[in-house]
Amino acid sequence: DQQVKQNSPSLSVQEGRISILNCDYTNSMFDYFLWYKKYPAEGPTFLISISSIKDKNEDGRFTVFLNKSAKHLSLHIVPSQPGDSAVYFCAASKDAGGTSYGKLTFGQGTILTVHP
Amino acid sequence: DAGVTQSPTHLIKTRGQQVTLRCSPKSGHDTVSWYQQALGQGPQFIFQYYEEEERQRGNFPDRFSGHQFPNYSSELNVNALLLGDSALYLCASSLWFGTWENGWYFGEGSWLTVV
Repeated sequence: DQQVKQNSPSLSVQEGRISILNCDYTNSMFDYFLWYKKYPAEGPTFLISISSIKDKNEDGRFTVFLNKSAKHLSLHIVPSQPGDSAVYFCAASKDAGGTSYGKLTFGQGTILTVHP
Repeated sequence: DAGVTQSPTHLIKTRGQQVTLRCSPKSGHDTVSWYQQALGQGPQFIFQYYEEEERQRGNFPDRFSGHQFPNYSSELNVNALLLGDSALYLCASSLWFGTWENGWYFGEGSWLTVV
């Protein structure tokens, strides 16, 4: 039961252009959504997040959009840089008090390659 | 400020053997979660420990067990290893009474190969 899906295994973008990574979820109980970035031989690093009460959150070059009715979120990177090349994971969590904060449900990941 | 540290980095085991992986949480964190990441997949939640007790568990068999120590560090044990247990095992630490924005901090993982 894949509750969080990233349907694009890979994405290739030219430096300076926009990268758009997509994520769909099926569980309407999810309250928080996070994006993680992972380089080879390293653990996932937190990038940006959004609560279900918002539809947009921005942090520098990174913006996450949430469409609750469509159960869809996307990560926009503008402008894309070669150093952004990594695997990006979408993750979701439910709010049920402290017991819930520890469990993240991840998508399969999207490999982003930014060409110079 | 030390981040999440895991050991060993890599290990190779034979089918049927047992393995123990270790994790030290980020300084100040009291909750540890373990994830399994198979090749080409996203991390999957195994279980979570707080106050030395298992608080949540994902869809993993009883062969997977854990422990948390008074200093908040944790171990993941896997018995009767199968070839399918080959994966990257990630430890994530957090604050039990933190907010979700505090986030989860991941270690670099332990690569387990079962032959």
